[in-house]
Amino acid sequence: AQSVSQHNHHVILSEAASLELGCNYSYGGTVNLFWYVQYPGQHLQLLLKYFSGDPLVKGIKGFEAEFIKSKFSFNLRKPSVQWSDTAEYFCAVNFGGSQGNLIFGKGTKLSVKP
Amino acid sequence: EPEVTQTPSHQVTQMGQEVILRCVPISNHLYFYWYRQILGQKVEFLVSFYNNEISEKSEIFDDQFSVERPDGSNFTLKIRSTKLEDSAMYFCASSDYGGPREQYFGPGTRLTVT
Repeated sequence: AQSVSQHNHHVILSEAASLELGCNYSYGGTVNLFWYVQYPGQHLQLLLKYFSGDPLVKGIKGFEAEFIKSKFSFNLRKPSVQWSDTAEYFCAVNFGGSQGNLIFGKGTKLSVKP
Repeated sequence: EPEVTQTPSHQVTQMGQEVILRCVPISNHLYFYWYRQILGQKVEFLVSFYNNEISEKSEIFDDQFSVERPDGSNFTLKIRSTKLEDSAMYFCASSDYGGPREQYFGPGTRLTVT
């Protein structure tokens, strides 16, 4: 079955620390990859997406993610986090052949200490 | 910036009752989705809808669920006879095209079945 795994349930960092959140998926075919973020009390909103081309994609607010096909991974990174990055981060995958539905990971809660 | 809206924000209902959750997608979007998130679990795809038809549905979306676009703006999810296990946050999303496009999410409706 198609699935998406996020390895970290809760990550706690100090401001200016570097961030990497893992995401793996179980499928060998075409995938379209997304990271969504949910700030406290707000909607899910798109951070970045990968469909094709350069496997290193840049998103909003200084986030980036790298698609490594051989590892079935799409890890999210930010060199220096801020307190305002405190939120829950969701990796989501649209598996090839589907009409657009997203399979989500369980989410990683990021807490940034000022 | 246009947003997806959902009403109500919280619905409490008794087991066996029918509920209708309402969504107003972004006005020029053509594809509509429902997802749900049971507390502590992943966001799960329920159904996608295009051109007044269901495009795709998950195994969760059984006969007790139905969707409708009753007019040009609303998109509804009906649960005919609610069960305790239907308690979850229900998210509506819309996109301008199908397939691998950014989906814009609403704030969610928290459904509590007692």
